[in-house]
Amino acid sequence: QVQLVESGGGVVQPGRSLRLSCAASGFTFRSYGMQWVRLAPGKGLDCVAIIWYDGSNMYYGDSVKGRFTISRDNSKNMVYLQMNSLRVEDTAVYYCARVIGNNPHWYFDLWGRGTLVTVSS
Amino acid sequence: EIVLTQSPGTLSLSPGERATLSCRASQSVSSTYLAWYQQKPGQAPRLLIYGASSRATGIPDRFSGSGSGTDFTLTISRLEPEDFAVYYCQHYYSLPLTFGQGTKVE
Repeated sequence: QVQLVESGGGVVQPGRSLRLSCAASGFTFRSYGMQWVRLAPGKGLDCVAIIWYDGSNMYYGDSVKGRFTISRDNSKNMVYLQMNSLRVEDTAVYYCARVIGNNPHWYFDLWGRGTLVTVSS
Repeated sequence: EIVLTQSPGTLSLSPGERATLSCRASQSVSSTYLAWYQQKPGQAPRLLIYGASSRATGIPDRFSGSGSGTDFTLTISRLEPEDFAVYYCQHYYSLPLTFGQGTKVE
């Protein structure tokens, strides 16, 4: 079954860290770029980070640059998002998505159901 | 950054009616670099349209996309009960990629 399943969300205090995981199955994972996108309460979707199919390059949204790190393990069909120095405004549902296209013309043809991250003291 | 403005915010319709959703970009994204997604509560977003007018795999033909430059439209010809959801547009013309705020079809 072609799917993406996120995990690792939860409640965390401001300034702390959290690591999200996304397990891919049913397709040739190593052939695709992957992305994390978030949906904050009352806001629109926001591209957080993208990683190339081979992990050779990454792109970050301005709001997370320097704090979040995207990585992948093609041997395990996994993509990760390490979130450091979390802020209240990082509270959102985080989705993993499969990337289609060539830099920078990317859209997303497969999404997971998301994992909720709540940053609160 | 290209800002996408979707209208209306909410569209109240009945099954069988036609839905017309608008997405306006703050600058041209050509006729190629626009996608539409559907999201239902608790579910993963689903790609409906890419390249402004191409339907993604498995998407029924009641969904159609049109437009170019800065003005785009998603049309649902006859609403089915399962079509009541939130719809987002996304441009992929340049970085940063951005999404519209969404239109809820209720």
